[in-house]
Amino acid sequence: EVQLVQSGAEVKKSGESLKISCKGSGYSFTSYWIGWVRQVTGKGLEWMGTISPGDSASRYSPSFQGQVTISADKSINTAYLQWSSLKASDTAMYYCARRYCSSISCYGDLKDSFDIWGQGTMVAVSS
Amino acid sequence: DIQMTQSPSSLSASVRDRVTITCRASQSINRYLNWYQQKPGKAPKLLIYAASSLQSGVPSRFSGSGSGTDFTLTISSLQPEDFATYYCQQSYSTAFTFGPGTKVDIK
Repeated sequence: EVQLVQSGAEVKKSGESLKISCKGSGYSFTSYWIGWVRQVTGKGLEWMGTISPGDSASRYSPSFQGQVTISADKSINTAYLQWSSLKASDTAMYYCARRYCSSISCYGDLKDSFDIWGQGTMVAVSS
Repeated sequence: DIQMTQSPSSLSASVRDRVTITCRASQSINRYLNWYQQKPGKAPKLLIYAASSLQSGVPSRFSGSGSGTDFTLTISSLQPEDFATYYCQQSYSTAFTFGPGTKVDIK
């Protein structure tokens, strides 16, 4: 079964660091990009960035560039999202998702979509 | 960035109703448009990719259409399990963006 399993909920204080994870299984982890999506309670979905686990190439939303770091360890089929200094405004649910393309480059691929999602990791940051 | 808008933001409908949700992009995105369904407390689920292609396992009552800047998601006969929030997302630019969502609830 193709799946992404995320790490558990976190409760942190402002200024603390945090790294959450997303482990892929049932498919070739290095063949598909992984994206991270934020959802504040009661609000919509915001794309944060994507990473290619094979070569760690990454792309960030301008809204999140410099605020978070996306990384991957292909040896253990795991992608990460990390903060060096959390803020109360980082309180949200975070989802990882597999970016499906029918070719590795994704260039010009109409099938480019997030087809498999993790269960989400809730991050609560108190001030 | 490409901005996505959806209308309506919410709607109330009855079982067996035909429901249509509209998504508009701030510039032409060809057919690089995906639709997701999200139920409360759950992760989003891909319904339609490339504007009109049904994801494997998704019931045929869901359909998508459009190209360029204007797109629609149609549920031909609303079922109890379809009450959820629906999001469009463009993949024309790799700076992906989602629409704000349309919540479908029970009339």
